[in-house]
Amino acid sequence: GQQVMQIPQYQHVQEGEDFTTYCNSSTTLSNIQWYKQRPGGHPVFLIQLVKSGEVKKQKRLTFQFGEAKKNSSLHITATQTTDVGTYFCAGTGGATNKLIFGTGTLLAVQP
Amino acid sequence: ETGVTQSPTHLIKTRGQQVTLRCSSQSGHNTVSWYQQALGQGPQFIFQYYREEENGRGNFPPRFSGLQFPNYSSELNVNALELDDSALYLCASSDRGRRAFFGQGTRLTVV
Repeated sequence: GQQVMQIPQYQHVQEGEDFTTYCNSSTTLSNIQWYKQRPGGHPVFLIQLVKSGEVKKQKRLTFQFGEAKKNSSLHITATQTTDVGTYFCAGTGGATNKLIFGTGTLLAVQP
Repeated sequence: ETGVTQSPTHLIKTRGQQVTLRCSSQSGHNTVSWYQQALGQGPQFIFQYYREEENGRGNFPPRFSGLQFPNYSSELNVNALELDDSALYLCASSDRGRRAFFGQGTRLTVV
């Protein structure tokens, strides 16, 4: 079945450093979505990418969708303590439009 | 706030019992998906309902079943509970392939 993997599993950075998480799907995706989940919370939608090679920015966050629509990345510039949480990519594909979540990257930011 | 509400927020059940979790979708959304999130892992797709019919299922046994009602609210039923069923159960409503809005989840503990 379809699998979505993320690396790294865990990243610890000093406040102000950059952070990147990578997402890879075993199959071609219709679109990719990114979510952030704070400890004890639920996933919160960040963004959706649809087009091959698409790049979107939200303030310090930059999202990319690969040319083959099988991989994606999230880059955070100059991390802040408010960025702490687990970042999940989630892809849709096939007839059901079901979201398949990646394994997640837990970001810890030290002040 | 996403407009998706789940009840109850916490639940403790005994192994072998049955449980029903409820979800009210965001207004205008005709698709609801259920996910199981074990501690430290990403959400795992259980199934999706579109206009009251099951529209895709993940790798979960038949004792996980669901319903979607005419108002697009939904239930997740789990029979013969096992210890490994302990997890956060998330409901997400969407408008067919668009961004998913998650509820706050129901944390189920099976003892």
